[in-house]
Amino acid sequence: EVQLVESGGGLVKPGGSLRLSCAASGFSFSKAWMTWVRQAPGKGLEWVGLIQTKTDGETTDYAAPVKGRFTISRDDSKNMLYLQMNSLKTEDTAFYYCTTQFDWSSGDHWGLGTLVIVSS
Amino acid sequence: DIVMTQSPDSLAVSLGERATINCKSSQSVLYNSNNKNYLAWYQQKPGQPPKLLIYWASTRESGVPDRFSGSGSGTDFTLTISSLQAEDVAVYYCQHYYSTPYAFGQGTKLEIK
Repeated sequence: EVQLVESGGGLVKPGGSLRLSCAASGFSFSKAWMTWVRQAPGKGLEWVGLIQTKTDGETTDYAAPVKGRFTISRDDSKNMLYLQMNSLKTEDTAFYYCTTQFDWSSGDHWGLGTLVIVSS
Repeated sequence: DIVMTQSPDSLAVSLGERATINCKSSQSVLYNSNNKNYLAWYQQKPGQPPKLLIYWASTRESGVPDRFSGSGSGTDFTLTISSLQAEDVAVYYCQHYYSTPYAFGQGTKLEIK
């Protein structure tokens, strides 16, 4: 059974940093492109970014609102996905989901999300 | 960047009736080399992550009831629920995956009339 479990969310002050983690199991993590999607409370879904496989160069891409502040990385030896968030803004407050969306070999799977609140 | 716009923002339909949600992309998401539309539909219920319903604009995900169907090509797409059931109350999102950033539509809230 595929499982994606996010952790690391919490309350952080504007300008602060936070690192989210996503523990993956039940599929070939090292072969999967992984994506982060966020959702502000009561709002719509927003694509944050993705990371390709090591074979594909671990290339990353980001949405404009987070580019230069967020960094996606992976540790295939631990089946872990990360989202390093720096210079956080109040508008970054959201549930953050990791997902295998559009990685057809893995199927479309989502974690339950972790909540990040940026507030003074 | 491609912008996705859904209509309507909310919709109330009687049980057993048809529900139709539209999605328009700011540029074509049809890849000419493989003739595939890089367009997906998701369903999200309160407190849950999104669930994939449709991909390649019209291919139903395994396990999704056949009352859900997707159509369209290029820039205009439709999600149709042929006979609304109570469990279909949710917010529905379209999303393109033609090129990054893979933008979502703003969502359509579907309720029972």
